[in-house]
Amino acid sequence: NAGVTQTPKFQVLKTGQSMTLQCAQDMNHEYMSWYRQDPGMGLRLIHYSVGAGITDQGEVPNGYNVSRSTTEDFPLRLLSAAPSQTSVYFCASSYSGAKTEAFFGQGTRLTVV
Amino acid sequence: SQQGEEDPQALSIQEGENATMNCSYKTSINNLQWYRQNSGRGLVHLILIRSNEREKHSGRLRVTLDTSKKSSSLLITASRAADTASYFCATVSISGNTPLVFGKGTRLSVIA
Repeated sequence: NAGVTQTPKFQVLKTGQSMTLQCAQDMNHEYMSWYRQDPGMGLRLIHYSVGAGITDQGEVPNGYNVSRSTTEDFPLRLLSAAPSQTSVYFCASSYSGAKTEAFFGQGTRLTVV
Repeated sequence: SQQGEEDPQALSIQEGENATMNCSYKTSINNLQWYRQNSGRGLVHLILIRSNEREKHSGRLRVTLDTSKKSSSLLITASRAADTASYFCATVSISGNTPLVFGKGTRLSVIA
């Protein structure tokens, strides 16, 4: 059982480049979310989805785009990378929203130069 | 904005001692969850405690919840070097329909 899989694990981008962080889960969870983790800041919510075709913004959505065409996948797109987006990104999924435990991927460490 | 605030920010103890971490939050909740993060890894769920519960146990972990004080504590008994990690509390709003909101975490170091 793979759980939540994030790719890539590491990425270096130049300012202005775009890229997609992939997230896939094989637990048939309806609820998926993206967080970023910065030193001393804990985890901050970027976007989340309560099911295929439904997405919503979190605390820090600017500069990011998401879509949810299938239950399994929830990619995060950086439209035009900026140094302020240097961070570690985590994808999470859960069966019944936040009423149940969340399962996290191993993270993507992104550096924007 | 972050809902939970853990205290202390960092904690260093000897192996075998107990470790207590606290979490305070601001608004009414549906449940509160504790997660552990080893260095360079993703978060792992430890315990979920619902707003109508006061205490839960899981192995060496004990979580309490005081909704009147809007606070929770995580106690790790007989700590081991392998318990060295960051610990986060996360809250869910009373509707239960919003995502987890995390605090900034407590960094625990257990010295062998």
